[in-house]
Amino acid sequence: AQSVTQLDSQVPVFEEAPVELRCNYSSSVSVYLFWYVQYPNQGLQLLLKYLSGSTLVKGINGFEAEFNKSQTSFHLRKPSVHISDTAEYFCAVSEPSTLTFGKGTMLLVSP
Amino acid sequence: GAVVSQHPSRVICKSGTSVKIECRSLDFQATTMFWYRQFPKQSLMLMATSNEGSKATYEQGVEKDKFLINHASLTLSTLTVTSAHPEDSSFYICSAKSGTSGAYNEQFFGPGTRLTVL
Repeated sequence: AQSVTQLDSQVPVFEEAPVELRCNYSSSVSVYLFWYVQYPNQGLQLLLKYLSGSTLVKGINGFEAEFNKSQTSFHLRKPSVHISDTAEYFCAVSEPSTLTFGKGTMLLVSP
Repeated sequence: GAVVSQHPSRVICKSGTSVKIECRSLDFQATTMFWYRQFPKQSLMLMATSNEGSKATYEQGVEKDKFLINHASLTLSTLTVTSAHPEDSSFYICSAKSGTSGAYNEQFFGPGTRLTVL
């Protein structure tokens, strides 16, 4: 069975600072990995995904993530955050058609 | 492209009544649709997977007689919460994907439906 762990439930950060949201997964087979963003009372928007190939994946809104197979991690990074990045971020794993989500990390960006 | 809509966006109902939520893929044919439930400040939990023209597959612990899912066409799936109770109050999100079983096809998510049962 697959599972996703997001260790940080909340990450406070100042505007224009860098941020890393951590995600670790466990799976018995090869997986696809995703990061989604959810704004209040809205559905999920795909930020980026790793299917194969280059382990550094670039997504929308300046986010990127790196797949590390040996550490079973897929951490999300942004070099400089904006107030508008305040939202809930979910890491997810797929094997390949069913998505399993982590518990989410709330990114709080303050001025 | 790849837009999924949900209707209604919010619904308030009395305990004991039934509520139907629609999920539509607006610009693609969805061979598979998924229904998720999200409690406040928690993650999405998959409730069921439905393939067009066949019965839905429910996750363990989800009452199929309470959460009726119909996927009658390639663009529409409905979730009916029967005899709703306050504990059914939640945010329900659907997603849809096209393509063959076993291959990766991105899921596209609807905006969600906030159900409040009084």
